[in-house]
Amino acid sequence: DVKVTQSSRYLVKRTGEKVFLECVQDMDHENMFWYRQDPGLGLRLIYFSYDVKMKEKGDIPEGYSVSREKKERFSLILESASTNQTSMYLCASSLPGQLAKNIQYFGAGTRLSVL
Amino acid sequence: DAKTTQPTSMDCAEGRAANLPCNHSTISGNEYVYWYRQIHSQGPQYIIHGLKNNETNEMASLIITEDRKSSTLILPHATLRDTAVYYCISKEDQGGKLIFGQGTELSVKP
Repeated sequence: DVKVTQSSRYLVKRTGEKVFLECVQDMDHENMFWYRQDPGLGLRLIYFSYDVKMKEKGDIPEGYSVSREKKERFSLILESASTNQTSMYLCASSLPGQLAKNIQYFGAGTRLSVL
Repeated sequence: DAKTTQPTSMDCAEGRAANLPCNHSTISGNEYVYWYRQIHSQGPQYIIHGLKNNETNEMASLIITEDRKSSTLILPHATLRDTAVYYCISKEDQGGKLIFGQGTELSVKP
C-alpha cells in the first residue's frame, strides 16, 4: 500500500512564525501535491511538483513556498504564518501519466492553528 | 472539468448496499469519473474511476449510464467504517488538480 506520511497531525503556531510542513511518500511517486481544506471551500491546491526540484503553483500559492530536494519528500513552508492560514493541510502523491496522476494518495493531514 | 452534483447526505443500514448517485450532465467524451471518500479527520481516499464501462474493484462498483451523464457508486455491503463523505469528480486527464465538490455524507447505521 502507498503510504503518505505527514510529519504532524496537529500544530499550533504564532502569527509571524515560519512554519514547515513535511510530507514523505514511500512509493517512488513522481508527483506530489499540497492542498488545504476549509469548511465550505473544499480542497484547494497550493503547490504541486512533478519531479525533484520542480514546482508549480496551484490556485492559492500566496504566502506559501515549497521544497522538493528528494523524490520522496515535499515540504510546504509558510514564510510568515498568519491567522488566515489556519486550516487542514493535506499532502498527496501520484504516479505520472495521463490517468494515474488523477489517482492521488493522501496523507492523514495536518491541522494547523495560527494564533 | 464537468460540474458534478451529488445529494448532500444519505443513510444506509449496515450490511445493505449503499448506492451513491452523481450527476455529471456536462461531461465531455474524454473526462473520466473518479470517486474518493474522506472519513472524518482523515485524508481523502481514492476508491474507483471509470470512463464508459462499469468498473468493479475490491472497494466498490461504479455504474456509468450509457449517455455518461450520471453514475452510481455502489458499496455492496456497507459497514459502519464506510461512514464518510463521498466525492464524485469528473475531469479530463490533464494536470493533477482534483476538484472536490461538497460530496455526499453517507451515514451507515447499525
